[in-house]
Amino acid sequence: DAKTTQPTSMDCAEGRAANLPCNHSTISGNEYVYWYRQIHSQGPQYIIHGLKNNETNEMASLIITEDRKSSTLILPHATLRDTAVYYCIVRVDFGNEKLTFGTGTRLTIIP
Amino acid sequence: NAGVTQTPKFRVLKTGQSMTLLCAQDMNHEYMYWYRQDPGMGLRLIHYSVGEGTTAKGEVPDGYNVSRLKKQNFLLGLESAAPSQTSVYFCASRARDYTGTQYFGPGTRLLVL
Repeated sequence: DAKTTQPTSMDCAEGRAANLPCNHSTISGNEYVYWYRQIHSQGPQYIIHGLKNNETNEMASLIITEDRKSSTLILPHATLRDTAVYYCIVRVDFGNEKLTFGTGTRLTIIP
Repeated sequence: NAGVTQTPKFRVLKTGQSMTLLCAQDMNHEYMYWYRQDPGMGLRLIHYSVGEGTTAKGEVPDGYNVSRLKKQNFLLGLESAAPSQTSVYFCASRARDYTGTQYFGPGTRLLVL
């Protein structure tokens, strides 16, 4: 699996967009980018994933650069409940069962 | 639809004792996983199963055994608990589809004295 690099922590004002970066410069052509979050030691929660194209769902948007070496998770209107540790994970979709969780980014939403 | 559930939520063991953690999912998922998370660290895969009756080792399997006798259940056993196994244990499951999305349970906190 490609390794990922994320900032250790970030702050964001409530109501603003939170932009969380992730570098994955060694990503292979068939590896997906996944984002999960973990709120206060609860089980990780799936947010979104993508391969090449930008993706959007009800929770967030995922922007992947054209060379696929980095991506950004966007929470469009952050709320206090979005305070969590956010994990960027890169893996091959089939045949590789390991999700490698790094230490993630601790996002704090400021009232 | 309860999703992924884990029992117990919390347990204290003495060194050398044994116990079994139960994971159950009601989403008819083929794949199930056991992870552990130590303070300040990410999750590490212990064992996983790609279907009923099959199991495989993850990255930290030593000291643990697993069984998948029924599709909806995945058991994690500690035969002789050690303080190094103090951790939070998470179970996850996923469907056999292209997304690879794993759904996690709420976790079991285990303290080994």
